[in-house]
This record gives sequence, structure tokens and C-alpha cells, in this order.
Amino acid sequence: GAGVSQSPRYKVAKRGQDVALRCDPISGHVSLFWYQQALGQGPEFLTYFQNEAQLDKSGLPSDRFFAERPEGSVSTLKIQRTQQEDSAVYLCASSLGASGGLTDTQYFGPGTRLTVL
Amino acid sequence: AQSVTQLGSHVSVSEGALVLLRCNYSSSVPPYLFWYVQYPNQGLQLLLKYTSAATLVKGINGFEAEFKKSETSFHLTKPSAHMSDAAEYFCAVSVNTGGFKTIFGAGTRLFVKA
Repeated sequence: GAGVSQSPRYKVAKRGQDVALRCDPISGHVSLFWYQQALGQGPEFLTYFQNEAQLDKSGLPSDRFFAERPEGSVSTLKIQRTQQEDSAVYLCASSLGASGGLTDTQYFGPGTRLTVL
Repeated sequence: AQSVTQLGSHVSVSEGALVLLRCNYSSSVPPYLFWYVQYPNQGLQLLLKYTSAATLVKGINGFEAEFKKSETSFHLTKPSAHMSDAAEYFCAVSVNTGGFKTIFGAGTRLFVKA
């Protein structure tokens, strides 16, 4: 079956522009995660959804970052007034677990590479 | 607080040689540990995970890892490297935050020489 998909794969924005990144998780997956991966670094947690509920947003770096999953499937990560330090690959992952299980396997999308000029 | 440290940002081995990628963790509670692999232009893929059952965990593509509580380590090994193993490898720990989140190490890039 289809895996996690993300769009766009590449995004170039001018500083100050707003961007929206989309994630389509695997159908039926309850949990959805967003990560930010800077060049040469490991993914850093941004936020976590269980269905439509955002249970943890402790990793969002500022109030310019906003994520939603209104119907419990597709999710959008929005970054307002982008800054150069926002340049990174944004990864989305989903897992089947209904309880956000600590041992659940996460399935990752290919990521969106955001470059802010 | 939980954390993960990967020793060595780059590791180079010859084809057929042993692969050893090091990971140490810090956790105040029994950890759940993972190894993920990232091939160029692809998403992360789970190699294996430790969930407090057997301490020696076998994963895909011939990889395995051993959980050693006394050493707070979860090193990844493969007896014989193949050219296709060249990739970035990430060790991670899963923590309970009410929901939960995964904390990744900085990654180790594996080079395999012919």
C-alpha cells in the first residue's frame, strides 16, 4: 500500500513569506508526527497528533509554527514569516498505535526541503 | 531527561568487514530504543527496536543490536558490510510525554569501500 507522502518535496521561500507543508499519512494511522531535520543533524521532534488532537507541541520552535490535523488524517505544518533559520527538511511520520505507544514503529515520508532565502 | 549520543559522525568500512555503529543513551526510566536508516532522498526506515523483551534484537538486512543496561548502550552491528549498506543511521529513544515523542541522535554516516 501507499506510504507516507509529503508535498511539496522542495520549497523555496523568501524571508517573511508564509509556507504550508502537507503530510498524507498511511490510511488508518492514528498517530502523526512532525520533525525538523537540519543539515547534518538528526530529526528533532516538533509536534504529535493522535487523530485530530494535538497532544504535544513542545517542539515547535516559536509561535510562527502551527500544525493542524482537522479530520484526523491529512496534516499541515504552517510556518509564518519564515526566517533563514527555518531552512531544513521537515519530516512527517505516522504510526498505527491508538495510544501513541512508545514502541510503535513510525513510518516516515520523504520530507519537504525548505530553503528560505 | 532522555537523550541519545552517537559516537562518530562518519564510519568507513570495507565491503565484507564488520559494521559497528555506537549509540549510548541516557534515561531515567527503562528506555525504548530504535535504529533507523536513511538512504539518500528517502525517508527514514526502521531497522530494529528494543522494547524490553530480548536484549539482542535482530532487524532487517542482517543488522542486530544489543541492549546493555550496565553500559547504557545500544550498538548496531552487522557481520559483513555490503555496498548497499551505505547510508545514514540514527539511534533514537522513545519517551512518554503524556503523548510521546522520539528523540534522535545526530546520526552516523556509513561509508562502504569496495
